[in-house]
Amino acid sequence: GEDVEQSLFLSVREGDSSVINCTYTDSSSTYLYWYKQEPGAGLQLLTYIFSNMDMKQDQRLTVLLNKKDKHLSLRIADTQTGDSAIYFCAEIHNDYKLSFGAGTTVTVRA
Amino acid sequence: EPEVTQTPSHQVTQMGQEVILRCVPISNHLYFYWYRQILGQKVEFLVSFYNNEISEKSEIFDDQFSVERPDGSNFTLKIRSTKLEDSAMYFCASSLTGTNTGELFFGEGSRLTVL
Repeated sequence: GEDVEQSLFLSVREGDSSVINCTYTDSSSTYLYWYKQEPGAGLQLLTYIFSNMDMKQDQRLTVLLNKKDKHLSLRIADTQTGDSAIYFCAEIHNDYKLSFGAGTTVTVRA
Repeated sequence: EPEVTQTPSHQVTQMGQEVILRCVPISNHLYFYWYRQILGQKVEFLVSFYNNEISEKSEIFDDQFSVERPDGSNFTLKIRSTKLEDSAMYFCASSLTGTNTGELFFGEGSRLTVL
């Protein structure tokens, strides 16, 4: 099946860490992605992880992958107001298609 | 930094009219895609295109939809006779080597409103 699930909302205080969780279904997915969508804007590729990795760090972003549980998370350290956006998790099914989650709306409060 | 560009950013049309959404993928990319996002819903795959032909299409991509790469740079999505339910944000994307090898870049989207 093709089903990516995410929690819909996350509220975090500025300066704290945000953790956005995602579960996926396709155990053969080779890559898993995190995209960011700011209001009225397109989908910005934040980061991605290859399925044979369990962690990837890129500046303030840390991606953790638990392949056994098909669980992906994105941690944003020192969350800023500019991080307020919708974050989409996505998995690949084949060479040509991504399946997206519904998106997690992250609200950063002062 | 290279980017995928889409035009128009917003189009309003009457039901039954034809619409063409245009995309200029990143210049050395070989794989092209259209996705759409109905307001408040998930981003959905429509179609992928490689080597001048459709590689895969979803159930949404029915006979009303077509794609074309008319020259070396543009990639278009045509909706022949728009319906109210076609109202959505349409995203074009491109990738150098297909989505199983890493990065897929999206454009800013074209918002289609069908009245």
